[in-house]
Amino acid sequence: QQPVQSPQAVILREGEDAVINCSSSKALYSVHWYRQKHGEAPVFLMILLKGGEQKGHEKISASFNEKKQQSSLYLTASQLSYSGTYFCGTELKDAGGTSYGKLTFGQGTILTVHP
Amino acid sequence: NAGVTQTPKFQVLKTGQSMTLQCAQDMNHEYMSWYRQDPGMGLRLIHYSVGAGITDQGEVPNGYNVSRSTTEDFPLRLLSAAPSQTSVYFCASRERQGAKQPQHFGDGTRLSIL
Repeated sequence: QQPVQSPQAVILREGEDAVINCSSSKALYSVHWYRQKHGEAPVFLMILLKGGEQKGHEKISASFNEKKQQSSLYLTASQLSYSGTYFCGTELKDAGGTSYGKLTFGQGTILTVHP
Repeated sequence: NAGVTQTPKFQVLKTGQSMTLQCAQDMNHEYMSWYRQDPGMGLRLIHYSVGAGITDQGEVPNGYNVSRSTTEDFPLRLLSAAPSQTSVYFCASRERQGAKQPQHFGDGTRLSIL
């Protein structure tokens, strides 16, 4: 039930853009995005609850395609501080349209930004 | 505002020993969970709880027990430690399942089993 992230790793130069994808084989209730620096706890970026929803956080934004059971994280004009591992977390939707409860995470995407 | 507090931060055990990882939150959150993180494996859910007295298994529950006697505390017990349980363990909490608010993580416990 873990979501699948792609790509596994991305290498960028400052100012370049990247897209990280997250997909599920089951219906999604919500999608969460986190960033983790080495040796630290994951830090919350954003949560998407509705199909078609898009959210932005500085130059980082995300979209949620409920029909395709997918979410994408967009990083534009990347900065050195964007380096880290990005995780998507998903809550599945039950037959009644509510959350099954548990939040499971993908394997992560390692993003490296070089000067 | 402490948030999610995990203790200890580091621990070394011998194979076969038992121990309890502590987790406490002061935000009155209903939902709490434990994850383990291994290189290349992401964050894998061990157990979770949607409220006091209610717990359920995650993806990798074998070898671990949990209980939730209060809203604030959610300890994780290793019954008989094995080298395969060497990992970084994160406790997390959120207001409730399906909430619009984020899940908060503790700083982690780095556990080595010799």
